[in-house]
Amino acid sequence: NAGVTQTPKFQVLKTGQSMTLQCAQDMNHNSMYWYRQDPGMGLRLIYYSASEGTTDKGEVPNGYNVSRLNKREFSLRLESAAPSQTSVYFCASRTGGVANYGYTFGSGTRLTVV
Amino acid sequence: TQLLEQSPQFLSIQEGENLTVYCNSSSVFSSLQWYRQEPGEGPVLLVTVVTGGEVKKLKRLTFQFGDARKDSSLHITAAQPGDTGLYLCAGGLGTASKLTFGTGTRLQVTL
Repeated sequence: NAGVTQTPKFQVLKTGQSMTLQCAQDMNHNSMYWYRQDPGMGLRLIYYSASEGTTDKGEVPNGYNVSRLNKREFSLRLESAAPSQTSVYFCASRTGGVANYGYTFGSGTRLTVV
Repeated sequence: TQLLEQSPQFLSIQEGENLTVYCNSSSVFSSLQWYRQEPGEGPVLLVTVVTGGEVKKLKRLTFQFGDARKDSSLHITAAQPGDTGLYLCAGGLGTASKLTFGTGTRLQVTL
């Protein structure tokens, strides 16, 4: 099925370790996003890429970096993981920059930092 | 920063009851979307409303966009256990690339 694929699904890191979350979409969407979801906080935007070759900060970018590798792939990197980054991470994509178009989400990565 | 407040935060009802979930903001949005999220999965788009006063129906779900495009509601008629999940509203602004998500309403429907 077409959609957004995230890997890994689960990860446990020790404080200070680094890792990259992978995201790929096969719908030829222009825009891609990384969100984190915490209890009672809703979905908060970390970084986004409106189109291939561009990336912008969202509301909670500190401690993260991103790479838009090509039109299909958008990765999120934690350089030095902290317990505060324990969360569920979602990648999403959509067809363009017009606000009317909905997001397609991946199934998430559950990250625990100990 | 545009904020979207949803109410109630939690709702537990029995099968067959009706319910309404609200999404409110002090900001004007050009579009409002509703998503449903089930445990262990990402949110799934239910509907997009773009015109003030617009009403859309999806089987037993009715979505309304406020006249001033600052608020929206989701009404479910005769709720079923399959409606259980987290309901999220999200607002978009013009050609902006990103959406602002509400805080969510967690709905549980029991037999």
